[in-house]
Amino acid sequence: DGGITQSPKYLFRKEGQNVTLSCEQNLNHDAMYWYRQDPGQGLRLIYYSQIVNDFQKGDIAEGYSVSREKKESFPLTVTSAQKNPTAFYLCASSVGTGTNTGELFFGEGSRLTVL
Amino acid sequence: AQSVTQLDSQVPVFEEAPVELRCNYSSSVSVYLFWYVQYPNQGLQLLLKYLSGSTLVKGINGFEAEFNKSQTSFHLRKPSVHISDTAEYFCAVILNQAGTALIFGKGTTLSVSS
Repeated sequence: DGGITQSPKYLFRKEGQNVTLSCEQNLNHDAMYWYRQDPGQGLRLIYYSQIVNDFQKGDIAEGYSVSREKKESFPLTVTSAQKNPTAFYLCASSVGTGTNTGELFFGEGSRLTVL
Repeated sequence: AQSVTQLDSQVPVFEEAPVELRCNYSSSVSVYLFWYVQYPNQGLQLLLKYLSGSTLVKGINGFEAEFNKSQTSFHLRKPSVHISDTAEYFCAVILNQAGTALIFGKGTTLSVSS
């Protein structure tokens, strides 16, 4: 079945450590996104990529980094510079530009807890 | 810049009652509008979308929404809710132009009790 796979589902990190969240899709979608979800805050855009080897910062990119070396993969690294990284992280993909751009397909999410 | 406001953070209702979840947006250009649903500890699932045409849009699970351009609203409705509709609902907007990303509201928690 086609879909988006995020791993790990749960992750614990000590302060000062970098951690990478994996996101893989087999939907052949051009665009991929990372959102952060905090209680009462909705979803906030971290980074997005419309095409391989290109990505743009979202509203809260500070302390995060991404790469898009392959169409199906869009890993997110939460660096030690991120002041408050404990959150639920959601990866999504869409067909690309045009009217389908808004129809996102989401993974199951990764919950990161900093100890 | 566009923004989305969901006017109620929590909406408690009894089973079989009607419900309306309110959403207003602001944008200086035309937009596409969406409602997503999130069940606990899961990703989001598309409920319905408005791209163009009829302002009344029907989605999955018996939900519908009406686009009102003059009031810049896109309220979600269901005539009779079930316990299984308990979830968080997100309104979202994207500009009608290439290269932009979806912007979400803060969400409304719908709690259905018997």
